[in-house]
Amino acid sequence: RKEVEQDPGPFNVPEGATVAFNCTYSNSASQSFFWYRQDCRKEPKLLMSVYSSGNEDGRFTAQLNRASQYISLLIRDSKLSDSATYLCAVIVLTGGGNKLTFGTGTQLKVEL
Amino acid sequence: NAGVTQTPKFQVLKTGQSMTLQCAQDMNHEYMSWYRQDPGMGLRLIHYSVGAGITDQGEVPNGYNVSRSTTEDFPLRLLSAAPSQTSVYFCASSYMGRSLGPHEQFFGPGTRLTVL
Repeated sequence: RKEVEQDPGPFNVPEGATVAFNCTYSNSASQSFFWYRQDCRKEPKLLMSVYSSGNEDGRFTAQLNRASQYISLLIRDSKLSDSATYLCAVIVLTGGGNKLTFGTGTQLKVEL
Repeated sequence: NAGVTQTPKFQVLKTGQSMTLQCAQDMNHEYMSWYRQDPGMGLRLIHYSVGAGITDQGEVPNGYNVSRSTTEDFPLRLLSAAPSQTSVYFCASSYMGRSLGPHEQFFGPGTRLTVL
């Protein structure tokens, strides 16, 4: 089983829609969680960190469910400019230290 | 600040050739890492470093070497390139968090490598 798993999509949604992505992780001792955004042929950039209490940044809301071992990203009022690939990332404990592991990404396409 | 820089942006190699992908950061980050990104595979960790003189293997280290002689630089070496190493390579850096884990990753623009 992969350490971090995401539905690759694509999610095709109309402008103004609400869309949600989940990301599951296998290591129950995972410590920190992040959502990154990656535009086509560009480098990933941090969208938001995911806190235990959940956090919101404008139209974006991130949640952590430790019991079910997943994080979620909710985008409200989707814009054309939200079209991108969204990657989740998890810090996984290893014998030699902690390392950051990424999911394969979920592709979002927002359409007129 | 330039952030994370990578050179070259594009490279074409023949099977068996060697080369070094350069990565540098000017943010005094302790943690640096190399990823490769292939269609449908996401970002896979090749090697990482938690400080100068310390490196460790990631998920897909075979065929790659790294060293970390300074805080700023983290070159990735391909000793004998193979077509399976055709990919986009990203270097990233970050501070180490309170739990000694990497925090927000800052990525370089990537190197697109083709091995014929």
